[in-house]
Amino acid sequence: KQEVTQIPAALSVPEGENLVLNCSFTDSAIYNLQWFRQDPGKGLTSLLLIQSSQREQTSGRLNASLDKSSGRSTLYIAASQPGDSATYLCAAGRAQKLVFGQGTRLTINP
Amino acid sequence: EAQVTQNPRYLITVTGKKLTVTCSQNMNHEYMSWYRQDPGLGLRQIYYSMNVEVTDKGDVPEGYKVSRKEKRNFPLILESPSPNQTSLYFCASSLGAGVIRETQYFGPGTRLLVL
Repeated sequence: KQEVTQIPAALSVPEGENLVLNCSFTDSAIYNLQWFRQDPGKGLTSLLLIQSSQREQTSGRLNASLDKSSGRSTLYIAASQPGDSATYLCAAGRAQKLVFGQGTRLTINP
Repeated sequence: EAQVTQNPRYLITVTGKKLTVTCSQNMNHEYMSWYRQDPGLGLRQIYYSMNVEVTDKGDVPEGYKVSRKEKRNFPLILESPSPNQTSLYFCASSLGAGVIRETQYFGPGTRLLVL
């Protein structure tokens, strides 16, 4: 059974720093890995989707990498801003069967 | 505007009183899912549907029912709610199989309290 872990559970950094969020999964036979953002009291917003055959995806200041062999994905956020404060979740599997990590709560301090 | 809508957004009910949470998407998506989110347990899939009249259990289906009679709608039914079903519920949809088609779109959530 797939298990997805995100460490740390919470992270606080000053504005402007580059940072990395980590996601690990136990079953490397995944179809894709997705990163989401969740703001308090709101639904999830898809940030990036990496197909299993890809190594990374980029969108603006965000870059997600995938290493299936080691069961790891990272989300790199460049030049962090207070508006990046949210909970970030990763999910492994495929559309109809996604397994989520518990998320990393990120706070960017002005 | 492309979106997934859920109703109601907030619901307080009592044990045993049947309820339905509606979910609708206007993007002609094939895949739809229901999740519940609980502190310390994260998001867990309840049921999913790959098309009209095609549904299957997720990881925590006990106490829930779903139906997919129309492509755009995927209601979640609690026949006899219990306090352990108090949770935040999310509906999600995606185009279907294959790369970008599997990008998930989430509704705003339904916060349910069962007394």
